[in-house]
Order: sequence, then C-alpha cells, then structure tokens
Amino acid sequence: GQGVEQPDNLMSVEGTFARVNCTYSTSGFNGLSWYQQREGHAPVFLSYVVLDGLKDSGHFSTFLSRSNGYSYLLLTELQIKDSASYLCAVRDRGTNAYKVIFGKGTHLHVLP
Amino acid sequence: DAGVTQTPRHEVAEKGQTIILKCEPVSGHNDLFWYRQTKIQGLELLSYFRSKSLMEDGGAFKDRFKAEMLNSSFSTLKIQPTEPKDSAVYLCASSPDWGYNYAEQFFGPGTRLTVL
Repeated sequence: GQGVEQPDNLMSVEGTFARVNCTYSTSGFNGLSWYQQREGHAPVFLSYVVLDGLKDSGHFSTFLSRSNGYSYLLLTELQIKDSASYLCAVRDRGTNAYKVIFGKGTHLHVLP
Repeated sequence: DAGVTQTPRHEVAEKGQTIILKCEPVSGHNDLFWYRQTKIQGLELLSYFRSKSLMEDGGAFKDRFKAEMLNSSFSTLKIQPTEPKDSAVYLCASSPDWGYNYAEQFFGPGTRLTVL
C-alpha cells in the first residue's frame, strides 16, 4: 500500500552519529522533507530533497534514492539536544493538488 | 514577523459538543494546512487551502470536520459533533508557495483537544 514508514525509535551516543531511515511508496513523488519535533512543540523544517544523492547541510545531511523509495537523515557530532522526533514527509500527487504524507516519526534518544 | 498563531492552546469538550479552532497563518503565505497529530497515527492531513481555495480534504475526516478560510489571514476548523477519539493535537501550518516552488511548512504551536 501507499505510505511513509519510519522506525519508531533510534538510540545513539553523544559525539557520534545517527541515521534516521525513511521508506515510502506513493503514486506521484515530488520531493521529500525532514522535520524535527521536540516533545510538546511543533515540527520544524530541516531539509528538502527531490533529486537522488546526498545533500550535505553541515550537522544534518539527507540522502535520497527515488528508485528505491528510500531516504535517510544523517546527524553527525550528536549532542544531547538532538534528542527529538524526526519526521519524514513526502509530497505526493493528490486529487486536485499536491498533498503531503507524513511518517509517524522516529524518536532519537542521544545518550551521554 | 509573527509566526503561525493558533487559539486556543488547550480545549476540553464534552462528547457531542461543537468546537471551533482558529489559525492565523504567516502574513503573505498562500498555503494553509490543518493536521491532526496523535501518537498512534502520527500527523494526518485534514485540509489544504491554496489562496483560500480548498485543494485537498482528508477523506477520512469529511463527515464531522470542516475547515474554512474566509480570508487570507484567518482559518477555522470546526468539529461537530466531537467524539472522544477526536482527542489529539491539532496543528495549523502555512507556506509561501508550497505546491510549486517552496517545500517548507511553518507550523503553529497547536491546540490540544481533549474530548470527555
């Protein structure tokens, strides 16, 4: 079926890295976004990718493979404050316009 | 510039009541979205407006949920009648030109609805 899938939880250690995976299956793909959401707060935009390959934005990098319906968000030099949920969102073709489908989010726990 | 504002921040309703949630998008933004967020289902799209026209309506939410955008700076989401399963955080987001040239959505702080 169509949708966006992410693992529920991910754990990593301060100073190392974490890779948050996202797989999707949609009828018409027009880009994928990543959002960070801290507990009790609204999602905040991190990155958008529409072409295959790795997009390096410093602390956050994103990778996309359209043929595999796969993306990941890579966080390097992790800090405790990176503990949050990371949401993958795919822009898909809707009835009248593009629509967005969000994954349920991956909760990243950064341990000291 | 002010971000997206939502009122009220918290709402408690009895089953069967009608409630209206309000959203003011970022000034100048053309696109406005309403979402429902729960731990089980995650973020679900309820409605999407572009230049005040309804573009997408979350199919599963049509019967008791009605979003309106009477002017470019104000939108409402009415739930009528409310049911306990409607307990969730309702998020409003806006974007300058989301459908075409812009990918980012700016989210408001949300309204936490509890239906007893």
